[in-house]
Amino acid sequence: GAGVSQSPRYKVAKRGQDVALRCDPISGHVSLFWYQQALGQGPEFLTYFQNEAQLDKSGLPSDRFFAERPEGSVSTLKIQRTQQEDSAVYLCASSLEYGGTDTQYFGPGTRLTVL
Amino acid sequence: SQKIEQNSEALNIQEGKTATLTCNYTNYSPAYLQWYRQDPGRGPVFLLLIRENEKEKRKERLKVTFDTTLKQSLFHITASQPADSATYLCASGRGDTGRRALTFGSGTRLQVQP
Repeated sequence: GAGVSQSPRYKVAKRGQDVALRCDPISGHVSLFWYQQALGQGPEFLTYFQNEAQLDKSGLPSDRFFAERPEGSVSTLKIQRTQQEDSAVYLCASSLEYGGTDTQYFGPGTRLTVL
Repeated sequence: SQKIEQNSEALNIQEGKTATLTCNYTNYSPAYLQWYRQDPGRGPVFLLLIRENEKEKRKERLKVTFDTTLKQSLFHITASQPADSATYLCASGRGDTGRRALTFGSGTRLQVQP
């Protein structure tokens, strides 16, 4: 079956531009996560949705970062006025369960390069 | 703050040998640990989960242990193959409904030589 998909796969932005990254989770998955992965590092948590509710946004690095999931399926991560330090791979993951020790299924990521 | 540490140096082993990767955590007690595999240009893929009350879990050629006294998890790949070459990530979770984020280590790159 279809896994988590993300688009675009690659994005180059000039410093100061706004970008929007899309995530299509696995159909029926309740939970959706965004992570940021710098080169040579592990993913770092950004934010978490349960259906359309954003339950945790403690990992968002600044108010330039905004995420939404208005209908409880597709999610968009928006970064305003991009900076060079925003260059990273942005990973989206989804999971079926509400809680517990559920497995997270990751998409291929969007590689953002800010010039 | 919560911290997960993995050996950042690459691990090089010969085909057929057992690879052992280490994950250490400090300043907290995770409810569970997960191990993921990540290939270049791809997202992490779930391999195994072990809960805090479990000592060992196995799946085919994979084995993971969880030692809450040492605050350490070991991940073993037996009879390793060149296809096992990848970066392996350790991640911890709290198990809370409202705090579902995983905390990842930086990963250990495994290279299996034919």
